[in-house]
Amino acid sequence: RKEVEQDPGPFNVPEGATVAFNCTYSNSASQSFFWYRQDCRKEPKLLMSVYSSGNEDGRFTAQLNRASQYISLLIRDSKLSDSATYLCVVGSNAGKSTFGDGTTLTVKP
Amino acid sequence: NAGVMQNPRHLVRRRGQEARLRCSPMKGHSHVYWYRQLPEEGLKFMVYLQKENIIDESGMPKERFSAEFPKEGPSILRIQQVVRGDSAAYFCASSPGTAVDTQYFGPGTRLTVL
Repeated sequence: RKEVEQDPGPFNVPEGATVAFNCTYSNSASQSFFWYRQDCRKEPKLLMSVYSSGNEDGRFTAQLNRASQYISLLIRDSKLSDSATYLCVVGSNAGKSTFGDGTTLTVKP
Repeated sequence: NAGVMQNPRHLVRRRGQEARLRCSPMKGHSHVYWYRQLPEEGLKFMVYLQKENIIDESGMPKERFSAEFPKEGPSILRIQQVVRGDSAAYFCASSPGTAVDTQYFGPGTRLTVL
């Protein structure tokens, strides 16, 4: 079993749709959680950190469920520019971060 | 404040040659991470370094690969006697503290082995 698992997709949605990604992790001692996006094999860029209380940034909402060991990302009112690969990242306080293989989103007009 | 810098951006080597990839972290960051992304695959952790110390190299292949982060100068990822399977994008990231901190990525070095 992978340490961090994501549904690879692809998710193909029309503009304006709401789409949700889930990610599960196996290490219950994990300390930090993030969502990154990666465009066309460029470098990953931080989208948002994920907290137990949940956090929202505009059209994006991230949730963390420690008991079930999963993280979610919700994108509302999808834009064409949201097309990318979304990476779930889990870190330990020992320094190592583990990336999921990513979920590919394509938003179509 | 310049971001994470990597050079070269593209590197072509023939089988058996050596590849040296450089990474300069963001100013004020003392933690560096190297990742490899093979074509059509996800990012894989290779090594985590602080100045003059390797903290975690659990993702490094046992042979031909080494990394350093000297007191002065950039972090170096060195691949000896490259093979075609080493062709990949190599990304460096830096953070001010440990992995609980956000990591900021450089633009990557794309290595092609002929």
